[in-house]
Amino acid sequence: DIQMTQSPSSLSASVGDRVTITCRASQGIRNDLGWYQQKPGKAPKRLIYAASSLQSGVPSRFGGSGSGTEFTLTISSLQPEDFATYYCLQHNSYPRTFGQGTKVEIK
Amino acid sequence: EVQLLESGGGLVQPGGSLRLSCAASGFTFTSYAMSWVRQAPGKGLEWVSAISGSGGSTYYADSKKGRFTISRDNSKNTLYLQVDSLRAEDTAVYYCAIIVAAADYWGQGTLVTVSS
Repeated sequence: DIQMTQSPSSLSASVGDRVTITCRASQGIRNDLGWYQQKPGKAPKRLIYAASSLQSGVPSRFGGSGSGTEFTLTISSLQPEDFATYYCLQHNSYPRTFGQGTKVEIK
Repeated sequence: EVQLLESGGGLVQPGGSLRLSCAASGFTFTSYAMSWVRQAPGKGLEWVSAISGSGGSTYYADSKKGRFTISRDNSKNTLYLQVDSLRAEDTAVYYCAIIVAAADYWGQGTLVTVSS
């Protein structure tokens, strides 16, 4: 099975900050990775698909990069509505696997 | 508009069974593989199982093989998850979802609580 190691598990940041979250796959997954945002009590929402493609309707301050085993989600200028938990998900092979999550909190 | 509506959750005693349903609408049901994802209270997302559009192929997280059975009825546009021998650690919100490169849709989730 492919393991996804996500870091950090949490971070504190201020509005306007640049934020970077990383996922590392235990083996190469090409660009078969998505990034999700989840707010309390809500279903996850995909922000990025195919590692770097922005989901329709998602603000351009969200960006994804990487291929193979190293992936990054960047929020270029953190906004109040971005405080949430973020997950990566590999869909290269079954079983699918999520990263452990990164909780982005207000500093 | 794609809609996924889960049902079947509730309070179940340890050792019991439950069948979750997910009614789908707004798209050609057989076009997509469907997944179940769960989230225990205060914990992260956990992928549980998936089934191909035809229903001919099923996939499970290693820890879910044996007690979990995914199925679909394409004539009713409905996805199912049968969970047997329920344990306290199965307490979670269970989501059905379409998670493919071209599309990503989630239901609102159904809460399963395993407790005596």
